[in-house]
Amino acid sequence: SQTIHQWPATLVQPVGSPLSLECTVEGTSNPNLYWYRQAAGRGLQLLFYSVGIGQISSEVPQNLSASRPQDRQFILSSKKLLLSDSGFYLCAWSSGQGYGYTFGSGTRLTVV
Amino acid sequence: EDQVTQSPEALRLQEGESSSLNCSYTVSGLRGLFWYRQDPGKGPEFLFTLYSAGEEKEKERLKATLTKKESFLHITAPKPEDSATYLCAVQAFNAGKSTFGDGTTLTVKP
Repeated sequence: SQTIHQWPATLVQPVGSPLSLECTVEGTSNPNLYWYRQAAGRGLQLLFYSVGIGQISSEVPQNLSASRPQDRQFILSSKKLLLSDSGFYLCAWSSGQGYGYTFGSGTRLTVV
Repeated sequence: EDQVTQSPEALRLQEGESSSLNCSYTVSGLRGLFWYRQDPGKGPEFLFTLYSAGEEKEKERLKATLTKKESFLHITAPKPEDSATYLCAVQAFNAGKSTFGDGTTLTVKP
């Protein structure tokens, strides 16, 4: 069966520090991968998605970046965090267009 | 640009009191409409996919329906464990991504 791993679960980082969140998927190949951010009490904002290794689409101009170094690995990064980067970050995968997503358990990021 | 609007923002029900959640959408060619359930502090959990107007899907006390402009999530005789935020999302043809609504937070009191 397919599983998705996302870590860490919680993270407190100072303003200006770097960020690296990792997401891996098991039990499938060539998944579509997504990074979403959710503000408190709000819906999901798409940050990045990838339909293959090295293929990254950015949805929101910001100080975040994403990479897909392996087929089932998706990394969200920042060189210098801002207070506004605080939120709940969710990784997800799907089998392709027209399929629902399977989400990870999320990372609660607080920038102080 | 694809848009999803969910209503109401919050819904409080007594146990056993049936109701419906609404998801209105605009999309340039609907490939699929999705419903998810999200518990506090957790990632959303996939519930249903609907592909065409008139389609219905059921799971326990939940039934999702679809028209050309909106979808409804009907909750029959809800229980406290149905309390959660329910998210709706749409995906257009030739789009590699889904657009989500802000969700409806359902609270079911015993």
